[in-house]
Amino acid sequence: AIQMTQSPSSLSASVGDRVTITCRASQGIGNDLTWYQQKSGKAPKLLIYAASNLQSGVPSRFSGSGSGTDFTLTISSLQPGDFATYYCLHEYTYPYTFGQGTRLEIK
Amino acid sequence: EVQLVESGGGLVQPGESLRLSCAASGFTFSTFWMHWVRQAPGKGLVWVSHINSDGSETNYADAVKGRFTISRDNAKNTLYLQMNSLRAEDTARYFCVRDWIGFDYWGQGALVTVSS
Repeated sequence: AIQMTQSPSSLSASVGDRVTITCRASQGIGNDLTWYQQKSGKAPKLLIYAASNLQSGVPSRFSGSGSGTDFTLTISSLQPGDFATYYCLHEYTYPYTFGQGTRLEIK
Repeated sequence: EVQLVESGGGLVQPGESLRLSCAASGFTFSTFWMHWVRQAPGKGLVWVSHINSDGSETNYADAVKGRFTISRDNAKNTLYLQMNSLRAEDTARYFCVRDWIGFDYWGQGALVTVSS
C-alpha cells in the first residue's frame, strides 16, 4: 500500500501568516491527491482536487501544488476560520490512504 | 441540496455485527462512486471501503478486508456497510462519502462503539 507522510503534524501560526503543509507519497501517484480541512466535531471538507485544483467555493488563499511524490498545501494569508486539521489523501490506487493530519493552531 | 445521512451506529460487543446505512438525496446516486471513511476518537481519517456506481466493483482497507462488506441499492438511493466480527479497534465515527473528482460530499457520520 502507498504510504502518505504528512508534515508537520502540528503547526502554530498567526492570522495573516503564510503556511505550507507537505505530503510525500511512498511511490509516484501522478496528481491523484486531494486535500481536506476538518474542524472539530465536523465532517471534512474538500479543498483541493487533482493536486492543484481549487474546489468550488473554497477561498483563493488556498492552493495546492506538486506531482509524483511531493505535494504541498499553502494558505497564503491565514484567517481565523482556517485553524483546523488538514489531511491529504491519495487516490492513485486502492487502498487509498490519508496522511496523518496537520493540526493548525493559533499562536 | 446534496445530503448524506448515516444511520445504524451504536454500541456492540466484540465479535458482534452491525450494518450502517447511508441515505443519499439531492443527486443522481446511481452515477457516483461512494466510500466509507472512519475516524477513531481523537485520531485521523482512515479510508475503509469503495464501491463503484453499479456495485460491480468494491475495494477494502486491509484492516477490514474479509469482515466488512460494502453494498448499495440504487433503487433506494442507499449505501450500506455490513460490519462483522467487530473489534475494539473498529470503534470510530463512520462517514459516508461521495466521490466526484475528490470526496466532495460527506455525511455527518455514524458512531460505532465496540466494547464489552
